[in-house]
Amino acid sequence: ILNVEQSPQSLHVQEGDSTNFTCSFPSSNFYALHWYRWETAKSPEALFVMTLNGDEKKKGRISATLNTKEGYSYLYIKGSQPEDSATYLCAFGGSNSGYALNFGKGTSLLVTP
Amino acid sequence: DSGVTQTPKHLITATGQRVTLRCSPRSGDLSVYWYQQSLDQGLQFLIQYYNGEERAKGNILERFSAQQFPDLHSELNLSSLELGDSALYFCASSSGSAVEALHFGNGTRLTVT
Repeated sequence: ILNVEQSPQSLHVQEGDSTNFTCSFPSSNFYALHWYRWETAKSPEALFVMTLNGDEKKKGRISATLNTKEGYSYLYIKGSQPEDSATYLCAFGGSNSGYALNFGKGTSLLVTP
Repeated sequence: DSGVTQTPKHLITATGQRVTLRCSPRSGDLSVYWYQQSLDQGLQFLIQYYNGEERAKGNILERFSAQQFPDLHSELNLSSLELGDSALYFCASSSGSAVEALHFGNGTRLTVT
């Protein structure tokens, strides 16, 4: 089992605050790093798939960076809105695990008005 | 709508019983993944199939088995059920490459009493 760690476990911010979370993963046999957003009572939805060291992806107010050499990725949300409240999951794909994705436990974000 | 269909939505059964969960992948996707989400746990990878063949195996118990059929739908069989098997079981599909995002079904909520 490949260890994928996410921090913090939960976060409570005010509307308008910017925030960021961390995903740590094994730095060897790296193939891909995924970010998903999981709203209550729904299924996870993909935000980003990142493959290259130094990769940066952006979708609206949400962006992510990737450092494969040291084994971490950051997810940033600028100007958080209540609709950003969700659990954010990262998943690591390794070349020695059949490319299956192993998920972290997620960061639960609550944005209050 | 992710295009991934899981049935049933809910299942309540007794200890010792056997159940089958079904998943139809998104049109065009060749790979199916099964994940288990228990209370306070992240998404635990169980098994991955690609075009009918098992590709990767995760933390799947011997009492559990799965297969992918020629029409690409997949079934997850859980036998000799225990209380601890109560969980949300997700199926996801993709083209099979770790650089492609997973598309998740809505999950099957299994309750073992």
